[in-house]
Amino acid sequence: GAVVSQHPSWVICKSGTSVKIECRSLDFQATTMFWYRQFPKQSLMLMATSNEGSKATYEQGVEKDKFLINHASLTLSTLTVTSAHPEDSSFYICSAPGTTRIQETQYFGPGTRLLVL
Amino acid sequence: QKEVEQDPGPLSVPEGAIVSLNCTYSNSAFQYFMWYRQYSRKGPELLMYTYSSGNKEDGRFTAQVDKSSKYISLFIRDSQPSDSATYLCAMSVNYGQNFVFGPGTRLSVLP
Repeated sequence: GAVVSQHPSWVICKSGTSVKIECRSLDFQATTMFWYRQFPKQSLMLMATSNEGSKATYEQGVEKDKFLINHASLTLSTLTVTSAHPEDSSFYICSAPGTTRIQETQYFGPGTRLLVL
Repeated sequence: QKEVEQDPGPLSVPEGAIVSLNCTYSNSAFQYFMWYRQYSRKGPELLMYTYSSGNKEDGRFTAQVDKSSKYISLFIRDSQPSDSATYLCAMSVNYGQNFVFGPGTRLSVLP
């Protein structure tokens, strides 16, 4: 099946710094990628839809100036958490719809655990 | 009412039991239905995918969709301790659009 990777897998940073998370589709192209966050024992909450070559679409309540998304190519989307604060500590997961014979679903990355001190 | 509700949770069963996981939804436009398994501190992995109503079987797993009742199920036969995880149902209206996830059911299979 399709593979989506994320980097880094976990990061610890000081409050006020910015953190960039990469999401890559390794064996297929993705014009669209999705970014989620997940708090402990809770389900995935969609943050934004990343579109290659255009602006991301943010869900209600998600600050676009705080969570910067760049979909620079058909295989790479990045999420930058700017001026991170402890409340931004969470598990961030990206996904991408498959293409060709695997187009029916989304494939998820392994997630990035962010801890802001 | 939430768009997707998931029942029951949390669930503990003995090894070898048959497990039934269920979701109900309110949007009759959903056509694509998925079940994902998520181990602790990992990203979700696709288990089963079904388009529209019907059943689908893959090894010990069977997915059922009843669009008339807006109800989907995942059955796990001969459950194993390695099946212990959180199971998320997900559904969408069209391919490529964002999926709506259920809150997840945490399953523990006891040896």
